[in-house]
Amino acid sequence: AQSVTQLDSHVSVSEGTPVLLRCNYSSSYSPSLFWYVQHPNKGLQLLLKYTSAATLVKGINGFEAEFKKSETSFHLTKPSAHMSDAAEYFCVVTPRLNNNDMRFGAGTRLTVKP
Amino acid sequence: DAGVTQSPTHLIKTRGQQVTLRCSPKSGHDTVSWYQQALGQGPQFIFQYYEEEERQRGNFPDRFSGHQFPNYSSELNVNALLLGDSALYLCASSMTAGGGALSSYEQYFGPGTRLTVT
Repeated sequence: AQSVTQLDSHVSVSEGTPVLLRCNYSSSYSPSLFWYVQHPNKGLQLLLKYTSAATLVKGINGFEAEFKKSETSFHLTKPSAHMSDAAEYFCVVTPRLNNNDMRFGAGTRLTVKP
Repeated sequence: DAGVTQSPTHLIKTRGQQVTLRCSPKSGHDTVSWYQQALGQGPQFIFQYYEEEERQRGNFPDRFSGHQFPNYSSELNVNALLLGDSALYLCASSMTAGGGALSSYEQYFGPGTRLTVT
């Protein structure tokens, strides 16, 4: 079985301050992990993915995430928030050998204050 | 490249009716997956189509069915609509690894169809 838990349903930061969105996973298999972003009325966009290579993964728009097996975590970070980062973020887990079975977390809504 | 497209954008149906949603995959992709996203929740996997067959299915009743056409486009059909079927329905396309392997590469999502059941 596999699942993800996004520890915060809502995160609010000021523009220019760091962003931390937390995700813990559970997987019976070696996992692949993803972060997707969803802007209102738009489709899900892939920010970054971890498959089996480097544990620190760099994505688009300055986001990065670190795979920590010992902590079963895959937290998303960004050094400096921009207003355009305001959106819903989803952490996703799938068994590495079966990327079809994607399990989404409940999502974290990021608000960026000016 | 048009990316993944879905139609219609919005749809309002009455309980008991049937609905068909459509998806065109990204150019070069041969695999289509469907997800249901209820308000305030993450997407849930409904099923995936590859080579015109349902390859994998999530925990959804038989009222949810689908089809994939030779051009890789896909339809999602829902019969006997319930109020609880109101959601954003997302289509995602990907390219399955060569040789018909089980794994698909990265999925690209469409903007979704918002279904409201009254």
